[in-house]
Amino acid sequence: EAQVTQNPRYLITVTGKKLTVTCSQNMNHEYMSWYRQDPGLGLRQIYYSMNVEVTDKGDVPEGYKVSRKEKRNFPLILESPSPNQTSLYFCASSLLVSGSGFSYNEQFFGPGTRLTVL
Amino acid sequence: EDKVVQSPLSLVVHEGDTVTLNCSYEVTNFRSLLWYKQEKKAPTFLFMLTSSGIEKKSGRLSSILDKKELFSILNITATQTGDSAVYLCAVSRVGSGNTGKLIFGQGTTLQVKP
Repeated sequence: EAQVTQNPRYLITVTGKKLTVTCSQNMNHEYMSWYRQDPGLGLRQIYYSMNVEVTDKGDVPEGYKVSRKEKRNFPLILESPSPNQTSLYFCASSLLVSGSGFSYNEQFFGPGTRLTVL
Repeated sequence: EDKVVQSPLSLVVHEGDTVTLNCSYEVTNFRSLLWYKQEKKAPTFLFMLTSSGIEKKSGRLSSILDKKELFSILNITATQTGDSAVYLCAVSRVGSGNTGKLIFGQGTTLQVKP
């Protein structure tokens, strides 16, 4: 089954304790992205990756890191979490059509990770 | 600055009613507009619209895009309680760089009462 998986689904942690949220897709998608969803603000992009070893900042990258060592995996790292990073996080992936700059944007979303930082 | 605005932000209707959700956008180099449905979990894809005036339909849901006036509507006819969800509108752009990025609106929360 084509899907995007995230782990953990729920996490309660304390300020400053490093954590990683994993994301994996089995659709051979080039494009992967992390969003956070907060009430009244919608989904905002944190980081994205156009392919292996190609990552860049989205709209709200502060306090986050990512890596893309393999095509299927795109982990989100919070080196020193703070309470303002309490949010619902979604990983998403999609195909990209290279060359022309066009992209096919039916993005598939993972089930979400609800993070609480105390 | 690119933005996507949805209205209303919330809506309560009764089963059988017809609803219209709105999405307006101001985005440079527009590529496509997407609608997603989000029930207490991940957003699930409904429609992608790239051309003006061509209605897309799926059962009781339909959507249309107006690229001149920069908006889209999502219609749901004969609503059911299972339609209760947050409906998200997102826009993508053409060009170099972050072409995969989706710019989301705030969402419309629809509650359908029995």
